[in-house]
Amino acid sequence: NAGVTQTPKFRVLKTGQSMTLLCAQDMNHEYMYWYRQDPGMGLRLIHYSVGEGTTAKGEVPDGYNVSRLKKQNFLLGLESAAPSQTSVYFCASRPSRGTYEQYFGPGTRLTVT
Amino acid sequence: AQSVTQLDSQVPVFEEAPVELRCNYSSSVSVYLFWYVQYPNQGLQLLLKYLSGSTLVKGINGFEAEFNKSQTSFHLRKPSVHISDTAEYFCAVNRGDYKLSFGAGTTVTVRA
Repeated sequence: NAGVTQTPKFRVLKTGQSMTLLCAQDMNHEYMYWYRQDPGMGLRLIHYSVGEGTTAKGEVPDGYNVSRLKKQNFLLGLESAAPSQTSVYFCASRPSRGTYEQYFGPGTRLTVT
Repeated sequence: AQSVTQLDSQVPVFEEAPVELRCNYSSSVSVYLFWYVQYPNQGLQLLLKYLSGSTLVKGINGFEAEFNKSQTSFHLRKPSVHISDTAEYFCAVNRGDYKLSFGAGTTVTVRA
């Protein structure tokens, strides 16, 4: 099992450019999440999904969109990148039942100049 | 709203010394509690979790944590740290719904 994988690992964008981050999991988990990590702020939830075709807003959703067309994939889009979106982005997944533990990907480091 | 407070942002410690990382949470309902570790340039890895039962929970790499319901705390301890324990540690809380709430993190730096 690869677990949770994220593509790409690093990216540099110019202000106003767009991009999509891909998260894939091979554990057949129903729930998937996108977080951003900034120094001194822990992890903040951007969007999440409780199943294929469903998405919901987290704490900091502005400037991001998501889609979950397939159960194993969760995409995070930035339509017009801003320097404030410079961060490390983590994807996570968990099953709908069980111990509530989330499994994390290795992260994507995004810099917006 | 639920909040998670990690009381120390940085904890320097010498190798083979004990360490305690403090975590307090606010919630009026039953919670599930987690500690995650993040090694440099890596994702988060689960150290241990409390769901129910014994309030003393043992995790990987010699870590343990104690759930104290009356003090709404879930402090993490290790009796003797190694250089390889240098990492950032996150406390997280789930109220039985979809989401985890994370603390701001505690950076542990182990020196020889």
